[in-house]
Amino acid sequence: DAGVIQSPRHEVTEMGQEVTLRCKPISGHNSLFWYRQTMMRGLELLIYFNNNVPIDDSGMPEDRFSAKMPNASFSTLKIQPSEPRDSAVYFCASRMDPLNQETQYFGPGTRLLVL
Amino acid sequence: TQLLEQSPQFLSIQEGENLTVYCNSSSVFSSLQWYRQEPGEGPVLLVTVVTGGEVKKLKRLTFQFGDARKDSSLHITAAQPGDTGLYLCAGAYYGGSQGNLIFGKGTKLSVKP
Repeated sequence: DAGVIQSPRHEVTEMGQEVTLRCKPISGHNSLFWYRQTMMRGLELLIYFNNNVPIDDSGMPEDRFSAKMPNASFSTLKIQPSEPRDSAVYFCASRMDPLNQETQYFGPGTRLLVL
Repeated sequence: TQLLEQSPQFLSIQEGENLTVYCNSSSVFSSLQWYRQEPGEGPVLLVTVVTGGEVKKLKRLTFQFGDARKDSSLHITAAQPGDTGLYLCAGAYYGGSQGNLIFGKGTKLSVKP
């Protein structure tokens, strides 16, 4: 069974460019999470979807960040315009509710470097 | 604001040694999870503890949830190089958005052969 799939795995871009990160959750999971991981701040929740609807976006840093989930099998996280401080590893995770409410399965991450 | 403090931040030991890492908070959690993350990969769940005072064992790893459900520890016996990685604790807190997790910053463990 395929796990959470993220693309691209690595992204290098220049300041000001638009960046789009993609995630395919595990089939049958109805919750999806976007996280950002840095050495300084650790793993931070950016946004959480349930049944394709954004439930909690309080972790989204600012208006430059946006996330969508058009269907149960796909989500995007977009940064426009990107800045060097956005450099981090971005993880997508999915979860099946309500059978196992708290177990999240993480993808391999997208390592983003903004120059 | 709920915070999870993990200690130590870094730990470098020789194969065969024992170690304990800690996860502490002033907040009460409904459950607490431990994850291991290897370089270039996402965190992978090791265990979930739910009841205050609960102890769970996973081969050479022993996990304990504090009686007050505010802290937890992970003890590794006879560490092996394969145990190397970043260990993260994550708490699910009452009143959170449907059980969302708060993560600590992790303990980076290096076990040298």
